Amino acid sequence: NAGVTQTPKFQVLKTGQSMTLQCAQDMNHEYMSWYRQDPGMGLRLIHYSVGAGITDQGEVPNGYNVSRSTTEDFPLRLLSAAPSQTSVYFCASSPDRANTEAFFGQGTRLTVV
Amino acid sequence: AQSVTQLDSQVPVFEEAPVELRCNYSSSVSVYLFWYVQYPNQGLQLLLKYLSGSTLVKSINGFEAEFNKSQTSFHLRKPSVHISDTAEYFCAVEGGGNKLTFGTGTQLKVEL
Repeated sequence: NAGVTQTPKFQVLKTGQSMTLQCAQDMNHEYMSWYRQDPGMGLRLIHYSVGAGITDQGEVPNGYNVSRSTTEDFPLRLLSAAPSQTSVYFCASSPDRANTEAFFGQGTRLTVV
Repeated sequence: AQSVTQLDSQVPVFEEAPVELRCNYSSSVSVYLFWYVQYPNQGLQLLLKYLSGSTLVKSINGFEAEFNKSQTSFHLRKPSVHISDTAEYFCAVEGGGNKLTFGTGTQLKVEL
C-alpha cells in the first residue's frame, strides 16, 4: 500500500497565484485532515473531513478551501497565495475518528514569494 | 477546546542516558493522548497512545508514557536513548469535536 500520497513535494508560488495541493490515500479511511507546520508552532489543523461530502474547519482555515468528493482524495486549495502561507503542509488520514492513529503523508513544502 | 504544552523546545542528551520529554494538556472533557515522532524530512508517525485502561503505555522501541489525570500530563520517557532516536517529538490530544491538537514539538538530539 502506498498509504497517504501528497503532491507536489515542493512548490514556489507568486503572491496572488492559486494552486491545489493533492492528497490521496488508499486505505479506505473515512477521516482526513490537512495541517500546516511552522517553526515553533507545531502542527495546526486547517480543515478536516469525516467522510465523503463532509468537511469542516479547523484552527486556521482562512485562505484555504477543501472538498471531499471521494473517500480517497482530499485536495487543499489556496485561493490567492500570500507570503504568510509559506509553510510545510501535511495531509493525514485515520480509519474513522481523530482519536485513532493518523497516517501522515510526506509533506509539501510551499514557498510564496 | 483543548491545548497542549510542550515546555522544552530542545532536549540534548548523550547516548545511553535516560530522557524525559514533558507534555501537559488542558481540556474540559475526557481526552485521548498521543505521542508522534517526526524524522527529518518525513511526515509524522504514531509512537504511542492512551485511549483508556492502563495509564502506562509503551512503544515497541522502548519509549513509554504515563497518563496522569490529576497533573494533566503525559510525559514521554526512555531509560536509554540511541542515536537513532534523534527526531522531533509531538504530543497531541483529542478531546471531542473530532480534532487533534498538537503541541509545538520537542527536538530530541542524541549525542555520542
